[in-house]
Amino acid sequence: QVQLVQSGAEVKKPGASVKVSCKASGYTFTSYDINWVRQATGQGLEWMGWMNPNSGNTGYAQKFQGRVTMTRNTSISTAYMELSSLRSEDTAVYYCARGEPGGNWFDPWGQGTLVTVSS
Amino acid sequence: AIRMTQSPSSFSASTGDRVTITCRASQGISSYLAWYQQKPGKAPKLLIYAASTLQSGVPSRFSGSGSGTDFTLTISCLQSEDFATYYCQQYYSYPPTFGPGTKVDIK
Repeated sequence: QVQLVQSGAEVKKPGASVKVSCKASGYTFTSYDINWVRQATGQGLEWMGWMNPNSGNTGYAQKFQGRVTMTRNTSISTAYMELSSLRSEDTAVYYCARGEPGGNWFDPWGQGTLVTVSS
Repeated sequence: AIRMTQSPSSFSASTGDRVTITCRASQGISSYLAWYQQKPGKAPKLLIYAASTLQSGVPSRFSGSGSGTDFTLTISCLQSEDFATYYCQQYYSYPPTFGPGTKVDIK
């Protein structure tokens, strides 16, 4: 079945970077965009950006421009999201989600990766 | 960015109830709207896309309607497993944006 499996929880200090992975299975990795969405505890969903695994093209939300980088390794069907200059407000669960071609709804989602930023 | 609002923000209901959640976009988005269900500690799950198309495997008690700026998600007969938070999302234009969520809990 179509599945996205993310890397485990991370604890980082302010100013550090974090890199979260998202391994796809059950479909052709290069045929669908991968999006990243985050959710702070008790809060709503915030879209961060997308990546086309075929071309490597990316698009980032203005809020994260300059701090986020989305990449992929097609040989292992894995997408990555790296967020730098972490601050306490970046503490959240980060999700990857497959974007449907021709219509950017998200299905399925990865299980989420908790990133905690604390000194 | 297009702003999405939802009402109510939360409410209590009983098993068997018919419930309706409203989502409004700050500008017209045609039918480029999706609905998700999220349970505590879990990832969101797609229920509906294109405003009214039920995702494969989603029970038929869920339905969506609307176009332009006003949309609704209806659960015809609430089941115990439906107590969750529901989010709408527009994908008419970048960036895609989500509503703040509607939490449905047990009365």
